[in-house]
Amino acid sequence: KNQVEQSPQSLIILEGKNCTLQCNYTVSPFSNLRWYKQDTGRGPVSLTIMTFSENTKSNGRYTATLDADTKQSSLHITASQLSDSASYICVVSEGYNAGNMLTFGGGTRLMVKP
Amino acid sequence: DARVTQTPRHKVTEMGQEVTMRCQPILGHNTVFWYRQTMMQGLELLAYFRNRAPLDDSGMPKDRFSAEMPDATLATLKIQPSEPRDSAVYFCASGPRQGDTEAFFGQGTRLTVV
Repeated sequence: KNQVEQSPQSLIILEGKNCTLQCNYTVSPFSNLRWYKQDTGRGPVSLTIMTFSENTKSNGRYTATLDADTKQSSLHITASQLSDSASYICVVSEGYNAGNMLTFGGGTRLMVKP
Repeated sequence: DARVTQTPRHKVTEMGQEVTMRCQPILGHNTVFWYRQTMMQGLELLAYFRNRAPLDDSGMPKDRFSAEMPDATLATLKIQPSEPRDSAVYFCASGPRQGDTEAFFGQGTRLTVV
C-alpha cells in the first residue's frame, strides 16, 4: 500500500529560527512530490514540486530536497516568520500518466512563536 | 482570479439529515477530487473524477456517500443519511490539463453532524 509518512507531527520554534520537516514515502512508481502549506481554515496551497531528477528546489525561504533512492524528502524553512505557522503536507503522485493518484502525508503542524 | 469555489463554507446538521456539498472547479480543469480532512486521519481521498467520469471512489463509504459531476462546472458530494462521524472538513480540488498533477484546493466545507 502506498504511504507517505511525515515527521515531526508538530513543531514549535521561535521566530527567526530555521527548521526542517521530513517526508518518507513508499509510493511506486513515483511521479512527483509536492509540499503544500495549509493555513488554518483554508485549503492547502502548493509550495514546490519535485520530480524524479531534481534534488533540491527553493521557493523563497523554503527549500525542498528529494532523495529518490531512499524515498525521502525534506522541507527546510529559513529564518522563520510568524506567518509560517501552518500545516505542511507532503503529497506524492503515483504512476506514469498525468492526473495520477495522490497520496497525502498526515502533515506537520508548525507553530512559530515570537 | 481562478479558484475552486466550495459551498457552503460551514454546515451544521442533525444526524440522519441529507447533506449536499458543492464545488465549482477552476474553468478548464479536467480532474476533480473530493477529500475529507480530520485531525485523526489527515487528508483522505474520497472520490476522483476526470473529464466528469468517476475514476476512483474506493475511499468513499458507498452506502451513504455519493459524488457526481452533472456538468463540467459543478461537482457534488452528498451524504444521506449523515452521521456524527462524518463531521470533518471536506475539500474539493481540481487539476488542470493532463501533464500536471497539481491539485488546487477550495476553502473547504466544515461539516458538523450533531
